[in-house]
Amino acid sequence: KNQVEQSPQSLIILEGKNCTLQCNYTVSPFSNLRWYKQDTGRGPVSLTIMTFSENTKSNGRYTATLDADTKQSSLHITASQLSDSASYICVVSDRGSTLGRLYFGRGTQLTVWP
Amino acid sequence: EADIYQTPRYLVIGTGKKITLECSQTMGHDKMYWYQQDPGMELHLIHYSYGVNSTEKGDLSSESTVSRIRTEHFPLTLESARPSHTSQYLCASSEVLRGQGNTEAFFGQGTRLTVV
Repeated sequence: KNQVEQSPQSLIILEGKNCTLQCNYTVSPFSNLRWYKQDTGRGPVSLTIMTFSENTKSNGRYTATLDADTKQSSLHITASQLSDSASYICVVSDRGSTLGRLYFGRGTQLTVWP
Repeated sequence: EADIYQTPRYLVIGTGKKITLECSQTMGHDKMYWYQQDPGMELHLIHYSYGVNSTEKGDLSSESTVSRIRTEHFPLTLESARPSHTSQYLCASSEVLRGQGNTEAFFGQGTRLTVV
């Protein structure tokens, strides 16, 4: 069964600190993996997208890693800011059919305290 | 910024009313989706479309219906709203590259529906 599991479910950190969010998936055949940021009451916004051949991708203070062998990804946030408080969702796309589908994790709720 | 729009952003409506949630995208994407999301919970796929005149039910059973008469437009309709339909509804679209699966999915801002 194709699944995406994220950990931790929620996380509280102090402003300025770093944190790492985890994503494990069983989606096969794998196409790509994205991390999205969703502010409360808004639609998700893409942070990074990674294909099979990519190990690391950065977007400002966000760095995503992908290990396609172990089917694990992480999102590292550096020097956190209050505006980083949001839900971070891992989304994996398959290529099993002509038109791949998306598999969503439940998200990690990050709260940054001053 | 994504060119996908949902209206209305917020809707409070009485039980039994018929409602249509609008979703439009100007990116020419073939694939469009509707997701339902309760507060603090994950997104659940309720409908999707491969292109014009294509509609499919998603993983979560829903009493809503959708149509895809034009590429850019993917409205969702509830014939008779009930309090159990209270939720956030998110529309998304993506480009499909043959052999590569979906590229990035772009989401609208969502419609927060409350049925009283």
